[in-house]
Amino acid sequence: AQTVTQSQPEMSVQEAETVTLSCTYDTSENNYYLFWYKQPPSRQMILVIRQEAYKQQNATENRFSVNFQKAAKSFSLKISDSQLGDTAMYFCAFMNLNTDKLIFGTGTRLQVFP
Amino acid sequence: GAVVSQHPSWVICKSGTSVKIECRSLDFQATTMFWYRQFPKQSLMLMATSNEGSKATYEQGVEKDKFLINHASLTLSTLTVTSAHPEDSSFYICSAGGQGETQYFGPGTRLLVL
Repeated sequence: AQTVTQSQPEMSVQEAETVTLSCTYDTSENNYYLFWYKQPPSRQMILVIRQEAYKQQNATENRFSVNFQKAAKSFSLKISDSQLGDTAMYFCAFMNLNTDKLIFGTGTRLQVFP
Repeated sequence: GAVVSQHPSWVICKSGTSVKIECRSLDFQATTMFWYRQFPKQSLMLMATSNEGSKATYEQGVEKDKFLINHASLTLSTLTVTSAHPEDSSFYICSAGGQGETQYFGPGTRLLVL
């Protein structure tokens, strides 16, 4: 069975600074997808970034980038130039391509302060 | 990005009544829809997976007779909480995806059973 671990329950960062959120996972599968979703106070789940395991290149989306280390089963999210609107709960998720199911980590609460 | 709607956004009902929640993919057809439950300050817990035209697959520990799922078309899935009780009060979220596609989430439904 796959598991996803987020070891940082809470993080804080000053506006305009950079922050990295950690995520590790465990699987015996070779092909899978990884995601970061954010959940602001509205509780709407919003896709931040997606990484296909077969791709060596790290995914980037504007200020968001990942450091995907397949051998180490690590998938961290870097947020550059943090903005107040980045304040949210961030969930790391693993997708099993056999079932399409998402397995979520416990989340990291990020607070961006002025 | 893909848009998923949920209706209602919140509902208050008396114990013993049934509540139906609709999940619609507005601008794409989803082969699979997923239903999650989220308790305060916790991660998302997958309840069931539904494919259009077939019976839903429930996760272990989820009562299929309590949480009825119907997936009538490629754009609509419904979750009915039957004979709701206070312990069913929660935040219910649906997502749409399938076949290795990214899951896009609805805005969620807050259910309060009195």
